[in-house]
Amino acid sequence: SQELEQSPQSLIVQEGKNLTINCTSSKTLYGLYWYKQKYGEGLIFLMMLQKGGEEKSHEKITAKLDEKKQQSSLHITASQPSHAGIYLCGAGRYSSASKIIFGSGTRLSIRP
Amino acid sequence: EAQVTQNPRYLITVTGKKLTVTCSQNMNHEYMSWYRQDPGLGLRQIYYSMNVEVTDKGDVPEGYKVSRKEKRNFPLILESPSPNQTSLYFCASKMDREGNYGYTFGSGTRLTVV
Repeated sequence: SQELEQSPQSLIVQEGKNLTINCTSSKTLYGLYWYKQKYGEGLIFLMMLQKGGEEKSHEKITAKLDEKKQQSSLHITASQPSHAGIYLCGAGRYSSASKIIFGSGTRLSIRP
Repeated sequence: EAQVTQNPRYLITVTGKKLTVTCSQNMNHEYMSWYRQDPGLGLRQIYYSMNVEVTDKGDVPEGYKVSRKEKRNFPLILESPSPNQTSLYFCASKMDREGNYGYTFGSGTRLTVV
């Protein structure tokens, strides 16, 4: 089983609607990263969260890390076609940020 | 432009024929890593390197070799490729141990072993 569980696995959202993607671990996370991937292409870094309770925003995307540092959520407000793609969460293992594991991703489609 | 460059982008090869996928970064990053991405399995780390001549195994190192003779380059070597190594491969680099800026990923190499 994956150490990082993402949900949902796929999501189809009407343009303009809000959505949330979750990333959960049974272990404490040392650095939580969110990436976006266009199909078959490289990953684009969105943001990183490190402290329990931390929240960051970039344009219409907001990510939060819970106090226990075991769960993160990515929220998109007023979704647009440009938001379509695969969203992956990644986390450092133990205290080493070199060894980063990833969830299996959430495939987001935006319906016009 | 700051980037991670992988070559080739696409490669079809036969079982057992040694191949090398090159990776180069122009950001003077200390950390570099190789991942493979497979449907249903997500991204899995193959090897990573903390600096020149310092490498360590990731989760799926079997069948792969790496070297880090120069800071900018981190080639992935498949000595005897097999069909189960058909995958999408990504090279990535980052500045520091804390990874405050995350890994910067290359565009990927799609490898098919027949």
